[in-house]
Amino acid sequence: DQQVKQNSPSLSVQEGRISILNCDYTNSMFDYFLWYKKYPAEGPTFLISISSIKDKNEDGRFTVFLNKSAKHLSLHIVPSQPGDSAVYFCAARTKETSGSRLTFGEGTQLTVNP
Amino acid sequence: EAGVVQSPRYKIIEKKQPVAFWCNPISGHNTLYWYRQNLGQGPELLIRYENEEAVDDSQLPKDRFSAERLKGVDSTLKIQPAELGDSAVYLCASSQGMNTQYFGPGTRLTVL
Repeated sequence: DQQVKQNSPSLSVQEGRISILNCDYTNSMFDYFLWYKKYPAEGPTFLISISSIKDKNEDGRFTVFLNKSAKHLSLHIVPSQPGDSAVYFCAARTKETSGSRLTFGEGTQLTVNP
Repeated sequence: EAGVVQSPRYKIIEKKQPVAFWCNPISGHNTLYWYRQNLGQGPELLIRYENEEAVDDSQLPKDRFSAERLKGVDSTLKIQPAELGDSAVYLCASSQGMNTQYFGPGTRLTVL
């Protein structure tokens, strides 16, 4: 049962244009959503997050949108830069009796062409 | 501030051999996680520690996998014996309670 899905394995955009990465989820108990970026041979790096009670969070070139009714979130990168080329993982958090648990999507490989 | 440290970075072993991975979390982070990431997939949680207590090990294959976090700081994940299907990247992460998880670089395991 894949509770967090990223349906696009890859995305290619031109430098300076917008990159839109999508994520769908099924579990209504998720209370927080996060995006991580991963370069080859490195661990995932936290990028941006959004609480389930909000519909938008912005940090510089990165904006995350949450549509709870559709159980869908997206990450917008504007303008895209070649250094943004990486695998992007969507993750969703559930609170546990002690602490929390993250469920990750499969990832989307973003390539930004100069 | 130093990030999460993992060693070794790469390990190649033959099947049925034992292997161990080590993790040093960010100073002050009481929560430590071990994840496994298969090729083309996202990380999947194996075990979560709150200080020295394993509070979520429901995804850990207990017949061959074991973990410990003595003194609530460093942690070791062991596989004995390793199988071909264990080839993956093993990631360690740490956090302060429910705050953002920070990941180490991972150990890439290849089982031949």
